[in-house]
Amino acid sequence: GAVVSQHPSRVICKSGTSVKIECRSLDFQATTMFWYRQFPKQSLMLMATSNEGSKATYEQGVEKDKFLINHASLTLSTLTVTSAHPEDSSFYICSARQGLFGYGYTFGSGTRLTVV
Amino acid sequence: DAKTTQPTSMDCAEGRAANLPCNHSTISGNEYVYWYRQIHSQGPQYIIHGLKNNETNEMASLIITEDRKSSTLILPHATLRDTAVYYCIVRVLQGGSEKLVFGKGTKLTVNP
Repeated sequence: GAVVSQHPSRVICKSGTSVKIECRSLDFQATTMFWYRQFPKQSLMLMATSNEGSKATYEQGVEKDKFLINHASLTLSTLTVTSAHPEDSSFYICSARQGLFGYGYTFGSGTRLTVV
Repeated sequence: DAKTTQPTSMDCAEGRAANLPCNHSTISGNEYVYWYRQIHSQGPQYIIHGLKNNETNEMASLIITEDRKSSTLILPHATLRDTAVYYCIVRVLQGGSEKLVFGKGTKLTVNP
C-alpha cells in the first residue's frame, strides 16, 4: 500500500531557531500534500495544502511566513517552522493523496516538535 | 469547519461489533465520506471511504444512508487493538481544491 514517510519523528529545538520537517511519498507520486498540526487531546487542524511546483494554500489564521512550505518534487514536501517559539510545540502530520479523486489519503507518522 | 458530528466516546466489548455513527447532514452530492483512526501519538490510519454505496474491506464496513446525511462504521469483531480515536471526515471540494477537515472524532474503547 501507499506509504508516506515523515522525518524527523521527534525534534527539540531552541526558541528562535528554525526546524524543517520532511514528508515523502515513497511509492507513489503526490501532486498534493497536506500539513496538519495537532495539540494534545485535540483533533488534527489543517494548516496548508502543498501543491507541487506552485505556492501552498494556507488555511485562515496560519501564518505563511512562519510556516514555510516547499513542494519541489512529486514525492517531497517540506514544512519549515521559522523562528520557533514554545507555543509552536505540537505534533505535525503530513498526508498525501494517492491517485485521482476518490482514492484514499495516506498520512505520515508525525513529527513531535518541542521548542525550549 | 468540520462537516461531521460524532459521539465523543463509545465503549465496546472485545469480540463484539462496534458501530460508530456519524452525522454529515450538509454533505454535498460529490463529497466522499472517509473514516480514519488514530492511536495515540501516531498518524491517522485509513480505514474506508465511500460516496453513496455501502462499502466493505478487510478492516470494516461503511453503511451510508440513502439521503447521505449520516453513516455508520462497523468493526465486525472488535479487538483491544481497535481502541483508538475514530474520525469521520467529509472531503471538502472548493474551487477545484480538496481537503480533509477533521472533526473531534469518537474515542472508542474496546474492553476485555
